[in-house]
Formats: sequence, C-alpha cells, structure tokens
Amino acid sequence: GENVEQHPSTLSVQEGDSAVIKCTYSDSASNYFPWYKQELGKRPQLIIDIRSNVGEKKDQRIAVTLNKTAKHFSLHITETQPEDSAVYFCAASPSNDYKLSFGAGTTVTVRA
Amino acid sequence: ETGVTQSPTHLIKTRGQQVTLRCSSQSGHNTVSWYQQALGQGPQFIFQYYREEENGRGNFPPRFSGLQFPNYSSELNVNALELDDSALYLCASNKGRGAGVTEAFFGQGTRLTVV
Repeated sequence: GENVEQHPSTLSVQEGDSAVIKCTYSDSASNYFPWYKQELGKRPQLIIDIRSNVGEKKDQRIAVTLNKTAKHFSLHITETQPEDSAVYFCAASPSNDYKLSFGAGTTVTVRA
Repeated sequence: ETGVTQSPTHLIKTRGQQVTLRCSSQSGHNTVSWYQQALGQGPQFIFQYYREEENGRGNFPPRFSGLQFPNYSSELNVNALELDDSALYLCASNKGRGAGVTEAFFGQGTRLTVV
C-alpha cells in the first residue's frame, strides 16, 4: 500500500518568511495529492490539492509542486502570517482508490 | 461550514464496552470514509462506504464495523474497546466512488477516550 512520509515534523518561522513542507510517497499509481490544515481542536480543511497532470498549482500565498519521477511533492507558504500556525498534513491517493494515505503532519508555528 | 457533522463530539468509555459514532455527510455526497487519528499522528483510514456498500478497508480488526444508510449518513461501531482505541475519529464525505475523485470534506471528529 501507499506510504507517505512528511518532513519536517515541526517548523518555526518568522512572520513574513516562507515555509516549505515536503512529502514523499511510495505508490507510483498515486495521482491525487491534497494538503490539509488542521487547527487545534478543529477539523482538517483542504487548502490546496494537485493532480498528476500538472507540476505546480498556486492559490494566493500557497503553492504545491509535484515531481512524479522522484515521487515527492511540497507545500510552499509565502509571507507567513500568525493565522498560518497549524498542523499541516499531506496525503496521496490513486483517483480510483478508496482511501487517502496521510503523512504524520507538520506543526507550523509562525512567530510574530 | 463544510456540512459534515459528527456526533457525539466527546465520549468516554470503559475498556471492553461498545461504542457507536455517527456521521452525516454533506448534501449531495454519496461516499463516507472513516479515519482514526491518534494524538500527534496523521489520520489512518479505517473503511469507506459508497452507496451503502463497503468500498474498501484499512488495516483495522473486525471489531471495527460500519454502516451507511440510504441518506448516506454513516455509523462506525467499535466492539470490545481497548485503551489503544482512544483517538479522534474523523469521517469525511465526498461525491463519487473513491477518495481522489472529488474533494473530501471532514467532520469535526469524535474524541473517544477509553479508560
């Protein structure tokens, strides 16, 4: 089955700086890669996703890049703000599969 | 508000007891997946239901079972509770068969504590 590894486990950045979280996956059949943000005590919320027919996708201050050859994808947050502090999870799935396989999460702290 | 609701929000049970957790999917969604999230970990897939039938199962023992109803709401049942079952249980709904077909929306979770 799919195995997703996520690094780093914790990340502390100064407000205004960039944050980068990296994930690798094992199943070459995976072609859907969502990123979820989970604030303390709240539900995971999708912030961006990418499918394997594209290499990069941006949404305002958030971007995701995908390298299918190397089987890794990354989340980039620019101009970080205190409200970006949360746990971020990457996930992978073949589009016809029944489950999302999640990484262990990255706790991001944005220092004011 | 995503529209996926779970009940109860918190629950304390004794080892060996049975528990039922409930999930109402977002309107228009016909797939419900259940995940277990231990403290400090990512969600782990338990099983998925599509149009009232199990559509896949993760590496969980048979004492974890589920149902999906005609209105696409779902239940997760856990028998013979163990201390290690203490976790946040999340359900997610999406439209279409499979997790990657459309965006999955999560409920707020049920925090289960087994003592």
